[in-house]
Amino acid sequence: AQSVSQHNHHVILSEAASLELGCNYSYGGTVNLFWYVQYPGQHLQLLLKYFSGDPLVKGIKGFEAEFIKSKFSFNLRKPSVQWSDTAEYFCAVRGGGFKTIFGAGTRLFVKA
Amino acid sequence: DTAVSQTPKYLVTQMGNDKSIKCEQNLGHDTMYWYKQDSKKFLKIMFSYNNKELIINETVPNRFSPKSPDKAHLNLHINSLELGDSAVYFCASSQGGLAGDPYEQYFGPGTRLTVT
Repeated sequence: AQSVSQHNHHVILSEAASLELGCNYSYGGTVNLFWYVQYPGQHLQLLLKYFSGDPLVKGIKGFEAEFIKSKFSFNLRKPSVQWSDTAEYFCAVRGGGFKTIFGAGTRLFVKA
Repeated sequence: DTAVSQTPKYLVTQMGNDKSIKCEQNLGHDTMYWYKQDSKKFLKIMFSYNNKELIINETVPNRFSPKSPDKAHLNLHINSLELGDSAVYFCASSQGGLAGDPYEQYFGPGTRLTVT
């Protein structure tokens, strides 16, 4: 069965600090990978996605993620966070079945 | 021009009542979903319909019944509400939705259900 693990449940950073959120998945076949963001009181929105091709994917608001197949990882990065990046971040994986599996989420708080 | 809309946004009701949440998408997508997000923000799939056909039916109590009158609508009816049903329920839609389709999901604003 597919599963998704997000390493950090809570992250606190100061503005301008660099961000890396870990995501590992378990599925042996071809995968589609996603990062979604949920700002306080809002619905989930897509940050970026990987389907095929270049394993370094760039998304909105300066976020990027790197797919490392050998490590079953899809970590999210941003070189310099802003207060407005305070949100919950979800990694999600879609393997060969119908379902997209979401990780438990990482709550990021950026101090102004 | 909201892409995925849900009504109501907030729902407060007593245990034992029956309630419905409605979802509509105007994206022309083939697949719609219901998710439950608990107080710890964990997001769990409940149901999915592709062209009005049920394709995902997770282990949820049979008090929960989805209905898809057409591919733009997916409603969720809950009978005999319990305290543990309190959560935020998100509707979502996507193109495709069949095995291996590489499409992301578009989420509605959520319905916060509180059972007292």
